[in-house]
Amino acid sequence: AQKVTQAQTEISVVEKEDVTLDCVYETRDTTYYLFWYKQPPSGELVFLIRRNSFDEQNEISGRYSWNFQKSTSSFNFTITASQVVDSAVYFCALSESTSGTYKYIFGTGTRLKVLA
Amino acid sequence: SAVISQKPSRDICQRGTSLTIQCQVDSQVTMMFWYRQQPGQSLTLIATANQGSEATYESGFVIDKFPISRPNLTFSTLTVSNMSPEDSSIYLCSVVKRGAGPYEQYFGPGTRLTVT
Repeated sequence: AQKVTQAQTEISVVEKEDVTLDCVYETRDTTYYLFWYKQPPSGELVFLIRRNSFDEQNEISGRYSWNFQKSTSSFNFTITASQVVDSAVYFCALSESTSGTYKYIFGTGTRLKVLA
Repeated sequence: SAVISQKPSRDICQRGTSLTIQCQVDSQVTMMFWYRQQPGQSLTLIATANQGSEATYESGFVIDKFPISRPNLTFSTLTVSNMSPEDSSIYLCSVVKRGAGPYEQYFGPGTRLTVT
């Protein structure tokens, strides 16, 4: 069965610190997709990144970077030089292609608080 | 991306009543989903809204409680029936755009429901 674990319930950092949010997933499929979403206090889900299971290259986008390691079934997210505006709940999600419906399974989320 | 609107954005309802939430997309989509996010929790898939046929419900969700309609490729409704305080949640619709990969889901802004 598919499952996404975000063990960190809440993280607090001081502005300009780097922070890594962990995501561990379980799936029996060889083809799947992983995602990160940001949910600020307004409640809207903001898409950050999508990664398919055949692409293990790490990705950097500005202050954001993602580390995908199939060997450990992890897809971790790092924010460099954090800012107060990064304060939000971050969700990792998994979608399996063979399910036919491509529905997402979300982790429980990590609440990030960046203090000024 | 897709422009998705939900109505209402929020509501406060009395126990025992029903509320219908609308999801409108600015372009035709192949798939539409409804999610629930209970306070402080992750997102849970309620059902896949199928055009012209009955929705496909996930385990723990039934049509009598959450009837769904999808009359065309750009619109869907979710009704929360006979509400109780436990139904207080954010309800979000998501879509997969026509022509896009099935792994590209876009989320609406959500409907924040409080049941008293």
